[in-house]
Amino acid sequence: DAGITQSPRHKVTETGTPVTLRCHQTENHRYMYWYRQDPGHGLRLIHYSYGVKDTDKGEVSDGYSVSRSKTEDFLLTLESATSSQTSVYFCAISDPGFMLSTGNTIYFGEGSWLTVV
Amino acid sequence: AQRVTQPEKLLSVFKGAPVELKCNYSYSGSPELFWYVQYSRQRLQLLLRHISRESIKGFTADLNKGETSFHLKKPFAQEEDSAMYYCALSDAGNQFYFGTGTSLTVIP
Repeated sequence: DAGITQSPRHKVTETGTPVTLRCHQTENHRYMYWYRQDPGHGLRLIHYSYGVKDTDKGEVSDGYSVSRSKTEDFLLTLESATSSQTSVYFCAISDPGFMLSTGNTIYFGEGSWLTVV
Repeated sequence: AQRVTQPEKLLSVFKGAPVELKCNYSYSGSPELFWYVQYSRQRLQLLLRHISRESIKGFTADLNKGETSFHLKKPFAQEEDSAMYYCALSDAGNQFYFGTGTSLTVIP
């Protein structure tokens, strides 16, 4: 398994409070991603990063912000949590230069279950 | 725009029967295509990718550029194959796009 650790793994929070999820990798991969997984929607990209301090929005970025101050850490912040943000959040990593002979691959963390009440 | 379509949300087959999970894509360039598997409440794991033409756990997938499809197949389903399967596409910009997933249940 790729060295990806997400924390916390489970969290219950109240509407309106800020929440930060952390992703830590030990693979030195350049790209990091945050996805949310919801029934009927599959995986949807929230934000991604292509280097330290280089981030960009995905398809469902409203209400979320990210930061990457070190190669190994990628933080996802829900600025003011809402019930619609109850979901499973997956961090992922990839590096197009890592396995040139066999193509790029994305690897996932174990997920963070967030419930907003 | 890149899109991945998995038309079946749920699929049930009997143990020992063949199984095919459908995936269609739309992409203007040459895509890299993948299948990922997710067992209950676990991380997504790479099952196979078209570029390496490998067979994992008896599954294979052939890229059909004419039909823009990348269907996943296994000749004899096993109970341990019950899981959620995601088809994914990677573009030149290192973005990955996932289908909505197909939940496979293998009936004993």
